[in-house]
Amino acid sequence: AQKVTQAQTEISVVEKEDVTLDCVYETRDTTYYLFWYKQPPSGELVFLIRRNSFDEQNEISGRYSWNFQKSTSSFNFTITASQVVDSAVYFCALSEALSGGGADGLTFGKGTHLIIQP
Amino acid sequence: EAGVTQSPTHLIKTRGQQATLRCSPISGHTSVYWYQQALGLGLQFLLWYDEGEERNRGNFPPRFSGRQFPNYSSELNVNALELEDSALYLCASSLGGVTGTDTQYFGPGTRLTVL
Repeated sequence: AQKVTQAQTEISVVEKEDVTLDCVYETRDTTYYLFWYKQPPSGELVFLIRRNSFDEQNEISGRYSWNFQKSTSSFNFTITASQVVDSAVYFCALSEALSGGGADGLTFGKGTHLIIQP
Repeated sequence: EAGVTQSPTHLIKTRGQQATLRCSPISGHTSVYWYQQALGLGLQFLLWYDEGEERNRGNFPPRFSGRQFPNYSSELNVNALELEDSALYLCASSLGGVTGTDTQYFGPGTRLTVL
């Protein structure tokens, strides 16, 4: 069965610090998709990135970067020069392709509450 | 382009009543997913609809049901409400297809409170 673990329940840093959110996943499928979503206090989940299991290239988008390593089953997310507006709960999620695809929907981690202090 | 919309924003019901939640997907999306986000339980998959059919459901009792209309909007019904049904219900839509692995875009959610 698929599983996503976000071991960091809460992280608090001072503005402009870099911060990395960890995500470890478990799956028996060879084809799968990994996602990161942001949930601000308003409650709406905002899509950040989607990565398939065959694409281990790291990605950078502005202050955000993602490090996907199949060898350690990790898909970590780094925010450089953090800002107060980055404060939110961040979720890592997994979707398996071969075992029925959306049959189980997205499997989410418990989320990491990121607090950026001014 | 309009995102996923959900109504109502808040819903207060008493135990035993029925609740109906509505979702309109992004234009062009045919798949709709429902998730429950209850305190302490995280985000859990409820239902997946694609092209008007229920494709699969999560580990929830039958009193959680729904449907998808010809315009791809969807309705989630929760019968015989229990206190533990109090949660944020999130709807998501995607381009659809049999794999269900397309990116899901979420709406703002409906906060259901059962008294």
